[in-house]
Amino acid sequence: EVQLVQSGAEVKKPGESLKISCKGSGYSFTSYWIGWVRQMPGKGLEWMGIIYPGDSDTRYSPSFQGQVTISADKSISTAYLQWSSLKASDTAMYYCATPQDWGQGTLVTVSS
Amino acid sequence: QTVVTQEPSLTVSPGGTVTLTCASSTGAVTSGYYPNWFQQKPGQAPRALIYSTSNKHSWTPARFSGSLLGGKAALTLSGVQPEDEAEYYCLLYYGGAQTWVFGGGTKLTVL
Repeated sequence: EVQLVQSGAEVKKPGESLKISCKGSGYSFTSYWIGWVRQMPGKGLEWMGIIYPGDSDTRYSPSFQGQVTISADKSISTAYLQWSSLKASDTAMYYCATPQDWGQGTLVTVSS
Repeated sequence: QTVVTQEPSLTVSPGGTVTLTCASSTGAVTSGYYPNWFQQKPGQAPRALIYSTSNKHSWTPARFSGSLLGGKAALTLSGVQPEDEAEYYCLLYYGGAQTWVFGGGTKLTVL
């Protein structure tokens, strides 16, 4: 069974850094891209970027380029999404997804 | 800034048929945009329904079908069930920029 299991909810202050994770199992982790998707409260889905864990080739949406970093560690079948300095506007649910499957989501709350 | 446009909301009666569409600000949507469709119910993660225009996943109910229609990607639900009430999102691939863009979503009400 394919599973994407994301790390738990986070509460952070503006200016703090954060790295959330997405662990894949039940499939060849290096053979499929993993994407990250943002969903702000009450809003639609926004595609942030993707990574091919096999070679770490990464593509970003222009809206998120320079705002976040996507990475992966194929030795532990895990993809990451990180921020160096969070803003209140980063408050959202973040999903990882492969072409067929989605993680359960990680809620990130940024508040002073 | 590329914009992908969907109907904000649609209403359909149980047992009826409804078509949701997905348009690109860059022009006609073709198979080269690899249209994907996702369903999201309140409080749940999205679920993939259709990929590459018309291909179904193993779990996609037969009443869902994808196509290209009048320069747009389309998702048709035939014989709508109450459990189909959800938000539906399309996703298009833009090869030049090697990026994907979601549509704004269609809230489907079954009434």
